[in-house]
Amino acid sequence: QKEVEQDPGPLSVPEGAIVSLNCTYSNSAFQYFMWYRQYSRKGPELLMYTYSSGNKEDGRFTAQVDKSSKYISLFIRDSQPSDSATYLCAMKDTNAGKSTFGDGTTLTVKP
Amino acid sequence: ETGVTQSPTHLIKTRGQQVTLRCSSQSGHNTVSWYQQALGQGPQFIFQYYREEENGRGNFPPRFSGLQFPNYSSELNVNALELDDSALYLCASSSNGPYEQYFGPGTRLTVT
Repeated sequence: QKEVEQDPGPLSVPEGAIVSLNCTYSNSAFQYFMWYRQYSRKGPELLMYTYSSGNKEDGRFTAQVDKSSKYISLFIRDSQPSDSATYLCAMKDTNAGKSTFGDGTTLTVKP
Repeated sequence: ETGVTQSPTHLIKTRGQQVTLRCSSQSGHNTVSWYQQALGQGPQFIFQYYREEENGRGNFPPRFSGLQFPNYSSELNVNALELDDSALYLCASSSNGPYEQYFGPGTRLTVT
């Protein structure tokens, strides 16, 4: 079983929809949580990050972490065609060192 | 400020051959991590270098090796290539902080 499981998708939504992307994890030592966006043939780009449990909002994006359930989410409001990409969740147990990634959810936002 | 760059962009090798991939880290970053991303999967951690020393390794065999140079650029070497080594190889540089990790565009390696 993988340490990080991500809803596989793919996900296709109309423009303006609210999108929910989710990951679960098994390692209770994870305390740094990140969401990356990866466009086709590009490297991942850091989108949001949170430490421990709680919510963080940045424009149309909200990241939520529930450590008691080992569950994290990324919400995208008023989705745009430019949001079409693969979204990767990632987690770390220490300040330095490796990030453990989910396998990504591919999102398509249709005009 | 330049971002993370990787070379080459694409590479085709034959099984059993050796390959060297290169990464130039973002200015001021002293830590480089390498990841392997197979098609349809998330990046898998290979190893990390901090100030020219290996500072953590994932579940990859010894034929995956690396170097970091005094200017913090890095190389990933893979010996005895196997078909399953076909993937996108990503380099990420960072300095302080758990979130600050900037990825390069990757090198796509195809092993035939």
